[in-house]
Amino acid sequence: GENVEQHPSTLSVQEGDSAVIKCTYSDSASNYFPWYKQELGKRPQLIIDIRSNVGEKKDQRIAVTLNKTAKHFSLHITETQPEDSAVYFCAARGPLWGNNRLAFGKGNQVVVIP
Amino acid sequence: DGGITQSPKYLFRKEGQNVTLSCEQNLNHDAMYWYRQDPGQGLRLIYYSQIVNDFQKGDIAEGYSVSREKKESFPLTVTSAQKNPTAFYLCASSIDGLETQYFGPGTRLLVL
Repeated sequence: GENVEQHPSTLSVQEGDSAVIKCTYSDSASNYFPWYKQELGKRPQLIIDIRSNVGEKKDQRIAVTLNKTAKHFSLHITETQPEDSAVYFCAARGPLWGNNRLAFGKGNQVVVIP
Repeated sequence: DGGITQSPKYLFRKEGQNVTLSCEQNLNHDAMYWYRQDPGQGLRLIYYSQIVNDFQKGDIAEGYSVSREKKESFPLTVTSAQKNPTAFYLCASSIDGLETQYFGPGTRLLVL
């Protein structure tokens, strides 16, 4: 099955700086890559997603880039704010295995220092 | 994601007891999922269902059971065979299994 890894596991940034989280995946046939944000004790919430026919997608301060050749995709948060502090999960879904199941990474803890 | 509800918020299980976690959605989604979340482990798939009266095992189905008798409901039973059930359980749904998954608020299961 698909294997998704996230780096780094913890990231601390100064408020106003940018944060970048990278995910790698193993199945070259994967075609959908969402990012979820989870605050402590809350449900994961989708913040952005990208499909394999697109290289980059942006939504205000958040962007995702996809490199299919290298099999990695990254979340970019610009002008970070304290409310961006959370755990971020990436996931990948491929058509060759498991009926459209999502494989999740283990999460990145992002801490924005005021 | 406001259309997915889970109950109870907290659940306590005694040894040898089966407990059932509720998941309901009013989004008219065909696909529903159950995940288990442990600290540092991310989200692991327990069971999923792409249509009423059909479901498949995920990566960690042992000790769990599900049913999908109605489109809007996908209850998860944690059986006494699950020896380490303490975790945060999340239910999710998507319109057809191909699109975005939306999560419920979760149930935290604790063992007495």
